[in-house]
Amino acid sequence: QVQLQESGPGLVKPSQTLSLTCTVSSGSFNSGGYYWNWIRQHPGKGLEWIGCIYYSGTTSYNPSLKSRVSISEDTSKNQFSLNLSSVTASDTAVYYCTRGHDNGDYVDGFDIWGQGTMVTVSS
Amino acid sequence: QSVLTQPPSASGTPGQRVTISCSGSSSNIGRNYVYWYEQFPGTAPKLLINTNNQRPSGVPDRFSGSKSGTSASLAISGLRSEDEADYFCAAWDDSLSAWVFGGGTKLTVL
Repeated sequence: QVQLQESGPGLVKPSQTLSLTCTVSSGSFNSGGYYWNWIRQHPGKGLEWIGCIYYSGTTSYNPSLKSRVSISEDTSKNQFSLNLSSVTASDTAVYYCTRGHDNGDYVDGFDIWGQGTMVTVSS
Repeated sequence: QSVLTQPPSASGTPGQRVTISCSGSSSNIGRNYVYWYEQFPGTAPKLLINTNNQRPSGVPDRFSGSKSGTSASLAISGLRSEDEADYFCAAWDDSLSAWVFGGGTKLTVL
C-alpha cells in the first residue's frame, strides 16, 4: 500500500518561504497514471487545493496562490516538494500531500493522503 | 467562502438515513465529477465517494453519492455512531482551473 509522508519545519517566520517535502513510499511515484497534490486546511476550516505536479512534470496551481507557489519533484528520491513564499499568519494550516489518478482526459480525486503536517507562521 | 456550498451541520439518530447536499455551478459540478471525503478529528480526510457515485474498496454500501445538474448529495443509510465526522465535497472547476471544495458538513449522530 502506497503511503505518503510530509516533512518540514513546523514553524516559519512571516515573509519567509514555507518548504515541505512529501515522500512516496513505493514506486508509483515514477510510474504514469498519477498526479501529486498539496492541499491545506486552516484550523477548524475547510480544505484548500494548493496545486499539483503531473507525471510529465507539468504543474498546476490554485490561482489564489499561484504567485507564491512552486511544486517540484525529485524522482530519484520518490519525493515532491512545496515552496510557498512570503508567508503570513493566514498560511498557518495543516498541509497534506495527496495522490490522485490521472486518467488522461480527466483527473480523479485524492485516494491517498499523508497524515498532514501543521505549519505555523509566527515570529 | 467556499466555492461549493454545503450545510455546516447535519444530524440523525442511529439507523436513520441522512443526506448532505453540495451545491455548485456549471463550471464545476455541472460539468465534472463530484467526490466526497470523510474526516475524523485530528486525521487526514479519506476518499468516500469517487466520480459522483462510486465507492472505493472498503467503503460500506451504506454510503452513496448522486449528482443532478449543479448539485450533488451524499446519503448515509443505517446511520451509526462511528459515522460522526466531517464530510467534504469536491470537484474540478474549469473556470478556475483548480480543485474546489465545500466548506464541510459536521455530522452528529444523536
